[in-house]
Amino acid sequence: DIQMTQSPSSLSPSVGDRVTITCRASQGIRNDLGWYQQKPGKAPKRLIYAASNLQSGVPSRFSGSGSGTEFTLTISSLQPEDFATYYCLQHNSLYTFGQGTKLEIK
Amino acid sequence: EVQLVQSGAEVKKPGESLKISCKGSGYSFTTYWIGWVRQMPGKGLEWMGIIYPGDSDTRYSPSFQGQVTISADKSISTAYLDWSSLKASDTAMYYCARAPRGSSAFDIWGQGTMVTVSS
Repeated sequence: DIQMTQSPSSLSPSVGDRVTITCRASQGIRNDLGWYQQKPGKAPKRLIYAASNLQSGVPSRFSGSGSGTEFTLTISSLQPEDFATYYCLQHNSLYTFGQGTKLEIK
Repeated sequence: EVQLVQSGAEVKKPGESLKISCKGSGYSFTTYWIGWVRQMPGKGLEWMGIIYPGDSDTRYSPSFQGQVTISADKSISTAYLDWSSLKASDTAMYYCARAPRGSSAFDIWGQGTMVTVSS
């Protein structure tokens, strides 16, 4: 099984901050990784696919990078609507989610 | 519009059976995987399993193998998740999501079905 280690588990940034979330895979997964945003009571929404491709309609302040075992999601300038929980998901071998990162208002 | 519409919330007793559904529309149902994801109250997302309705190829997470059954009826563009004997620990929100066969990445999600198991 591929394990995904996501960090940090929570953050309390301010509006306008640059935020970086990391996922590490227990073995190489090429670029078979997506990033998802989930707001309370809602289904997850895909932000990034194939590690670095922005989903259509997603603001350009979101970006993804990485390949192999280390991946990052960056929000360049945090907006109020970005306070949510973020998950990575590998689909190289079956599927594994990261544990999630909750962005909480400071 | 491409969408996955899930069946409504359920309240069941331990030991009862249940089948929830996920209906796809606006795309070719038989050419995308449909996966199921569990989210227990206040917890993260867990992948349960996936089915390719075109040929019923089904894969399960080791954590859920033998605990649930995933099926699909391509004639009505609907996938199912079922339990033969529910436990209180099955209380959770369940999401379906689709993935193109080539990329296998979940792009469109259903709205979720809340299952509550309580005596």
